Amino acid sequence: DAGVIQSPRHEVTEMGQEVTLRCKPISGHNSLFWYRQTMMRGLELLIYFNNNVPIDDSGMPEDRFSAKMPNASFSTLKIQPSEPRDSAVYFCASSPPRGANSPLHFGNGTRLTVT
Amino acid sequence: QKEVEQNSGPLSVPEGAIASLNCTYSDRGSQSFFWYRQYSGKSPELIMFIYSNGDKEDGRFTAQLNKASQYVSLLIRDSQPSDSATYLCAVRDSTLGRLYFGRGTQLTVWP
Repeated sequence: DAGVIQSPRHEVTEMGQEVTLRCKPISGHNSLFWYRQTMMRGLELLIYFNNNVPIDDSGMPEDRFSAKMPNASFSTLKIQPSEPRDSAVYFCASSPPRGANSPLHFGNGTRLTVT
Repeated sequence: QKEVEQNSGPLSVPEGAIASLNCTYSDRGSQSFFWYRQYSGKSPELIMFIYSNGDKEDGRFTAQLNKASQYVSLLIRDSQPSDSATYLCAVRDSTLGRLYFGRGTQLTVWP
């Protein structure tokens, strides 16, 4: 099992540019989560998909952020335009369809720096 | 977002001692609780989960849950320097199944 795969591992971009983060969940997992981690705020849930459908996007900070899951094996998180305060580590995680006790399996994260 | 509170630490214990990590949560309807370990620069990895009141043991780790007090803890026996990491408490909410994390407790085990 390859685990959750995220790309890129590191992204450095200038303010105002579009940033796209990618995630491939573990095969057979039907839930996918995007989190953002900073020293100040810890791990924040941004959006949660179940069976490719967004269930809760209340954590998305503002309209500059959008996420899609066109199929069971791929998701993107897009920031347009990016700002320095978006600098953080972005994690994608997936979990299997086994109910409330299903743990999350995290990808290695994308470290985003916006200058 | 639902509240998950942890002491940020740092918590420092000598090798061989018991490390005790605590977590409280606000959603009384929460049913499942998870402990993750995160080494610096790495992603969180699952240590164990618990969903019934009482204790659950896995090797040197014991999770304790008290739903009436909305409290969950993690005990690490015979602590090793390799246990030095940030420990994250996570709670799955009772409505949409989202997993909320505390900010973590930084543990240092010194030889």
